[in-house]
Amino acid sequence: EPEVTQTPSHQVTQMGQEVILRCVPISNHLYFYWYRQILGQKVEFLVSFYNNEISEKSEIFDDQFSVERPDGSNFTLKIRSTKLEDSAMYFCASIQGSGTEAFFGQGTRLTVV
Amino acid sequence: GEDVEQSLFLSVREGDSSVINCTYTDSSSTYLYWYKQEPGAGLQLLTYIFSNMDMKQDQRLTVLLNKKDKHLSLRIADTQTGDSAIYFCAERGNNQGGKLIFGQGTELSVKP
Repeated sequence: EPEVTQTPSHQVTQMGQEVILRCVPISNHLYFYWYRQILGQKVEFLVSFYNNEISEKSEIFDDQFSVERPDGSNFTLKIRSTKLEDSAMYFCASIQGSGTEAFFGQGTRLTVV
Repeated sequence: GEDVEQSLFLSVREGDSSVINCTYTDSSSTYLYWYKQEPGAGLQLLTYIFSNMDMKQDQRLTVLLNKKDKHLSLRIADTQTGDSAIYFCAERGNNQGGKLIFGQGTELSVKP
């Protein structure tokens, strides 16, 4: 069964450092997303990406965040200068487009110290 | 704006039925989803329903949708200890590629 894969599963970084979270969406999917979940809280939308550009972003997705699809398979989320409050589980998701199912990866737990 | 609300906790005995409830505000919601999250794990899609349906059954899972009241429920028959997890309700509008809006999750605890 096709799946969304994310790496690494856990990343610890120092405050102020840049991190890149990686995702490989399902191969024939067209829409890609990043969500985050702060411990014990709800899953929050960050950004959606289609046709090599951002289609929608939330208030959380400020100038410290960027996304990229550097090749035909990877989809990355970069946080330029991490803050303590960026500590969360980050989920990547993809949707085929005409399909209705949104498939999520297993998440990357980011810990900023 | 769009909002999805769920009760935070539900405790049941093994073998009983569990009913997890969800309300949403966006009347243009077209797809409604239930995801399961086990401790430290990702989001597993359990089932979804189109807004033009009232009910969907999938093995032990039954989804009921009351579109007038914007109320969604997930019934798990014969609940097992392995069903203990957090269950998230989510809605998505009609536009292709639209984002999912999640509820805060209901923690289901199944006691033997």
